[in-house]
Amino acid sequence: EDQVTQSPEALRLQEGESSSLNCSYTVSGLRGLFWYRQDPGKGPEFLFTLYSAGEEKEKERLKATLTKKESFLHITAPKPEDSATYLCAVHRTADSWGKLQFGAGTQVVVTP
Amino acid sequence: ETGVTQTPRHLVMGMTNKKSLKCEQHLGHNAMYWYKQSAKKPLELMFVYSLEERVENNSVPSRFSPECPNSSHLFLHLHTLQPEDSALYLCASSQDWSSYEQYFGPGTRLTVT
Repeated sequence: EDQVTQSPEALRLQEGESSSLNCSYTVSGLRGLFWYRQDPGKGPEFLFTLYSAGEEKEKERLKATLTKKESFLHITAPKPEDSATYLCAVHRTADSWGKLQFGAGTQVVVTP
Repeated sequence: ETGVTQTPRHLVMGMTNKKSLKCEQHLGHNAMYWYKQSAKKPLELMFVYSLEERVENNSVPSRFSPECPNSSHLFLHLHTLQPEDSALYLCASSQDWSSYEQYFGPGTRLTVT
């Protein structure tokens, strides 16, 4: 059965304390992996798309990487405004259209 | 208005009520989606529409009835819901049904009493 698992469930960081979030996936074929950020009371906001192992994408303090079994979202020197729930999702080659399978998310809290 | 908007933002309804959720996208997209988000669980895809035609019904109970009158508007009609249907209902849109970049609205927080 295809699965998307995110860890840890929750992460508490001091401002400036870098860390990584993990998204491991077991799917029969990966067409793409996506990272979203969700703030309380809001819908998810698109961050990155990764298509092949070895690919990396960066945006401000965030850097996403992809291997054949997992993706990491690195947060470098986080600030309180980086506090959010980070979601990853996969699109399988078996699906001919934009059907995404989401993980449960990692809730990140950055304290001053 | 920009992006994807949803109304109402909060809804409390009894199990015998009938209500509707509304979604509107201002992005010129051709595909629209309904998702359910429950606490500590992954987003669950409910329905997908492409150019006003339903592409996917992800084994959703018939007490949820979608409607897509045009490519900018999407409704979710609710009737005889159960308490376990309480959740955040999110609408999203994408350029077309093969586009993976989905843009989400803020959601409707639904409570069924």
